[in-house]
Amino acid sequence: DVKVTQSSRYLVKRTGEKVFLECVQDMDHENMFWYRQDPGLGLRLIYFSYDVKMKEKGDIPEGYSVSREKKERFSLILESASTNQTSMYLCASSLIPFNEQFFGPGTRLTVL
Amino acid sequence: QKEVEQNSGPLSVPEGAIASLNCTYSDRGSQSFFWYRQYSGKSPELIMFIYSNGDKEDGRFTAQLNKASQYVSLLIRDSQPSDSATYLCAVFPPFSGGYNKLIFGAGTRLAVHP
Repeated sequence: DVKVTQSSRYLVKRTGEKVFLECVQDMDHENMFWYRQDPGLGLRLIYFSYDVKMKEKGDIPEGYSVSREKKERFSLILESASTNQTSMYLCASSLIPFNEQFFGPGTRLTVL
Repeated sequence: QKEVEQNSGPLSVPEGAIASLNCTYSDRGSQSFFWYRQYSGKSPELIMFIYSNGDKEDGRFTAQLNKASQYVSLLIRDSQPSDSATYLCAVFPPFSGGYNKLIFGAGTRLAVHP
């Protein structure tokens, strides 16, 4: 069974703070993804990575960066958190690009 | 613009009935199609995937794909209150150079009432 874990279920941060969201998968998947999900807007892709140290921008990369130093770990970084980044953040992984993606439990981030 | 469209609902069905969820996509030649279920406050979980035209059945769930008409649907037979959730349709578009991304619809909320 694929397992994708995220470092926190709930997180509260202040405006301007640097925020790290961690994601780990245990199935040796090549591809990892970060999404945010907001009511009425659905899932929006922030960044994805198809290999260690490789990254590609998704649809809404502004205000975010990512890091993938090891195959199993993909980090999302908010350099200076803002209130409009309050959202549910979902990490996912897949073995090959057009296969199904497996999601972690999500991190609900609130920026005050 | 690659799009995946779903009716937001809520789709309300009585317990025991068949729930029919529909999804249309704009990119002809799309390769693979997925249905995810998402309970409130939880992350999406894969229910079914389908690659070829026709029907694919798994227990109470049937996915139907019609590439000519560019729609994919999910039928849930003998609907239960525990099926009440948001159902996300996701489509992998045809390869166009670079790295393709799975395109998600906004989801249809299903409510099964006793």
